[in-house]
Amino acid sequence: DQQVKQNSPSLSVQEGRISILNCDYTNSMFDYFLWYKKYPAEGPTFLISISSIKDKNEDGRFTVFLNKSAKHLSLHIVPSQPGDSAVYFCAAIHNAGNMLTFGGGTRLMVKP
Amino acid sequence: DTEVTQTPKHLVMGMTNKKSLKCEQHMGHRAMYWYKQKAKKPPELMFVYSYEKLSINESVPSRFSPECPNSSLLNLHLHALQPEDSALYLCASSQGQRSPYNEQFFGPGTRLTVL
Repeated sequence: DQQVKQNSPSLSVQEGRISILNCDYTNSMFDYFLWYKKYPAEGPTFLISISSIKDKNEDGRFTVFLNKSAKHLSLHIVPSQPGDSAVYFCAAIHNAGNMLTFGGGTRLMVKP
Repeated sequence: DTEVTQTPKHLVMGMTNKKSLKCEQHMGHRAMYWYKQKAKKPPELMFVYSYEKLSINESVPSRFSPECPNSSLLNLHLHALQPEDSALYLCASSQGQRSPYNEQFFGPGTRLTVL
């Protein structure tokens, strides 16, 4: 049973526009959420995180929104740049531990 | 220093070989992790070390043997692997095990091919 889901395996966006990556979770005990970016043959790079006590966290071009009632979070990238093209993983942490539960990833392609 | 380093970058081994993967961090993190990632899949947790003690083993076969010699180093010893063990092996570390100290920082990975 997949507890963290990214239902869009891929997303294509024009440079300069907004990219919105979505993530849904089922376990209400998750209390911390993270987004990672991954290039091929490299380790995931931490991007941004949000605690369950917040509904928004912003860092430069990246904003993460959390809707606890819907068990949904999203990552907004504005403006999108070609260098943002990568696979983005959503991850969640249970409030009783430290194990990351990853979503399946969304491949973002930003076209010049 | 905000890096997690892993060596080697690539490794090719036969099913009878014994090899080791190494991971190092100098961020003072007290939790370290091994993940396995197959193509087009998310990373899968294998082991967690907290304060140099093994705290989680995700039912990993005994042909994978982790070791944490000190707080900065994490090894993964490999023996009698199978071709299906070919994958990208990722090491990660975090400040601690509990929120909000558990943002994990990943190394670049070791691409392992078992022939």
